[in-house]
Amino acid sequence: EAQVTQNPRYLITVTGKKLTVTCSQNMNHEYMSWYRQDPGLGLRQIYYSMNVEVTDKGDVPEGYKVSRKEKRNFPLILESPSPNQTSLYFCASSPTSGLARGNEQFFGPGTRLTVL
Amino acid sequence: AQKVTQAQTEISVVEKEDVTLDCVYETRDTTYYLFWYKQPPSGELVFLIRRNSFDEQNEISGRYSWNFQKSTSSFNFTITASQVVDSAVYFCALSEARSSASKIIFGSGTRLSIRP
Repeated sequence: EAQVTQNPRYLITVTGKKLTVTCSQNMNHEYMSWYRQDPGLGLRQIYYSMNVEVTDKGDVPEGYKVSRKEKRNFPLILESPSPNQTSLYFCASSPTSGLARGNEQFFGPGTRLTVL
Repeated sequence: AQKVTQAQTEISVVEKEDVTLDCVYETRDTTYYLFWYKQPPSGELVFLIRRNSFDEQNEISGRYSWNFQKSTSSFNFTITASQVVDSAVYFCALSEARSSASKIIFGSGTRLSIRP
């Protein structure tokens, strides 16, 4: 089944404790992206990747890191989480050239992160 | 700069009523894509439709229809004869088709509640 998976689905952590949220897709998509969803703000793009070893900042990259060493995986790293990073996070993928070709994105199920 | 405005934060209607969700966008590009996504109470994000800036034809899919008007920079979504299963948060999104950028901007969403 074609899908985007995220792990963990739920995470409660404390300020400053490094964490990684994994994202994997099995559709051979080149484009992958991370978003955070907050009430009243919709989804905001954190980082995106056009292909392996090619990543770029979205609108809210501060406090986050990403890497794209393999086509299928795009982990989101919070080196020192803070309470303002409490949010619902979505990973997404899209076929060749992603949004520049108007392709829709396929979203993962979301990861609800709470930073105490 | 890109911007997507969904001025209706919440809408509540009785089942079988028609309802229109508004989306107004801003972009300097002549080539861009507009999307609608649905987020039901279960939380996943489901792609509904994509429209490119050169195609102003309205689209109908069952009870759903979309009205794209470049003159008013709007891409409104109408549900005819609404059903309880239509209850969800709906997001409008915009991406510009520049090959050097693959950002997407989402609106803040409209929460639609359909009462039985």
